[in-house]
Amino acid sequence: EAQVTQNPRYLITVTGKKLTVTCSQNMNHEYMSWYRQDPGLGLRQIYYSMNVEVTDKGDVPEGYKVSRKEKRNFPLILESPSPNQTSLYFCASSFSWTAGDEQFFGPGTRLTVL
Amino acid sequence: KQEVTQIPAALSVPEGENLVLNCSFTDSAIYNLQWFRQDPGKGLTSLLLIQSSQREQTSGRLNASLDKSSGRSTLYIAASQPGDSATYLCAVNDMRFGAGTRLTVKP
Repeated sequence: EAQVTQNPRYLITVTGKKLTVTCSQNMNHEYMSWYRQDPGLGLRQIYYSMNVEVTDKGDVPEGYKVSRKEKRNFPLILESPSPNQTSLYFCASSFSWTAGDEQFFGPGTRLTVL
Repeated sequence: KQEVTQIPAALSVPEGENLVLNCSFTDSAIYNLQWFRQDPGKGLTSLLLIQSSQREQTSGRLNASLDKSSGRSTLYIAASQPGDSATYLCAVNDMRFGAGTRLTVKP
């Protein structure tokens, strides 16, 4: 089944404790991205990647890191989480950036930083 | 910077009604617009994708139109059902989202 998976689905952590949210897709998509969703603000893009080893900042990159060492994986790293990073996070992928292809979303990761 | 707006933020209708959800964007230089459905606490499900060269797309009871010159897209839902209750989001160019319209269809 074609899908985007994220782990963990729920995470409660404390300020300053490094964490990684994994994202994996099995559709051989080139383009992957991370979003956060907050009430009243909709989805905002954190980082995106057009292909392996090619990443760039979205609208709200501060406090986050990403890497794209393999085509299928795009982990989101919070080196020192803070309470304002409490949010619902989504990973998405599409075949390519330039073709304007349909985006597929993961199920979301609900993060709480105390 | 592209801004995407969805009005109204919430809509409640009786079952069976036809309804229209609106999405407006500030920069007409887009290459696609996508409509999604999001159920509470869940991910996004793609409903319709309209490329910039297209005027509309249809899937079952759903029809989405795109008017780039006026910076607007509409999602038309025919004969609404309680199972249509969800939040509907539009996204421009795969990255710019509106805040969504929360739809409730009452039996």
